[in-house]
Amino acid sequence: QSALTQPPSVSGSPGQSVTISCTGTSSDVGSYNRVSWYQQPPGTAPKLMIYEVSNRPSGVPDRFSGSKSGNTASLTISGLQAEDEADYYCSSYTSSSTYVFGTGTKVTVL
Amino acid sequence: EVQLVQSGAEVKKPGESLKISCKGSGYSFTSYWIGWVRQMPGKGLEWMGIIYPADSDIRYSPSFQGQVTISADKSISTAYLQWISLKASDTAMYYCARASFGTLDYWGQGTLVTVSS
Repeated sequence: QSALTQPPSVSGSPGQSVTISCTGTSSDVGSYNRVSWYQQPPGTAPKLMIYEVSNRPSGVPDRFSGSKSGNTASLTISGLQAEDEADYYCSSYTSSSTYVFGTGTKVTVL
Repeated sequence: EVQLVQSGAEVKKPGESLKISCKGSGYSFTSYWIGWVRQMPGKGLEWMGIIYPADSDIRYSPSFQGQVTISADKSISTAYLQWISLKASDTAMYYCARASFGTLDYWGQGTLVTVSS
């Protein structure tokens, strides 16, 4: 069961938008809406940012949004802020009744 | 307040056994799955497996099947991750998290396991 594919890094200036892709297969991302996104600043535990493709938990800024098309899910951060600098991981349910994470993306605020 | 509190850091030798814990509070422990996640030094997150404490239904990710044992004691709201014989490659941070429909909404603080001779 291979990890979902994410770009290693993305960057943007404060106020800009960045989008992180998460590419899987028809056995995971393409078949289920159980896609979630996690933010992990250095040295801390991950934090849930998006669940079920596009839902934000309470307390997560609306600058964070999620979507999905076919086998690829995406996380967009609008109005990038310095505090958004972190590693981001997607996750999906799979046809094997297990879950898989993405390879992770480092977001840098220039 | 939902909390998951994990046991402290461990330093072990290759071949030794280990059981780390994750105690849930602030919610009905038997109503949610608990997932375990590995993060090797400088690397990404890996799903290890998931357990439903109400009936101990367990699903292992293929990479971890047979390598670790996941269990839970619902009477004390605690989930466990166990190794029979540790290897140096088991050195990692291990996180537990509450899972609902595959979403890990609350995370423990992590347990650092170091395996070195």
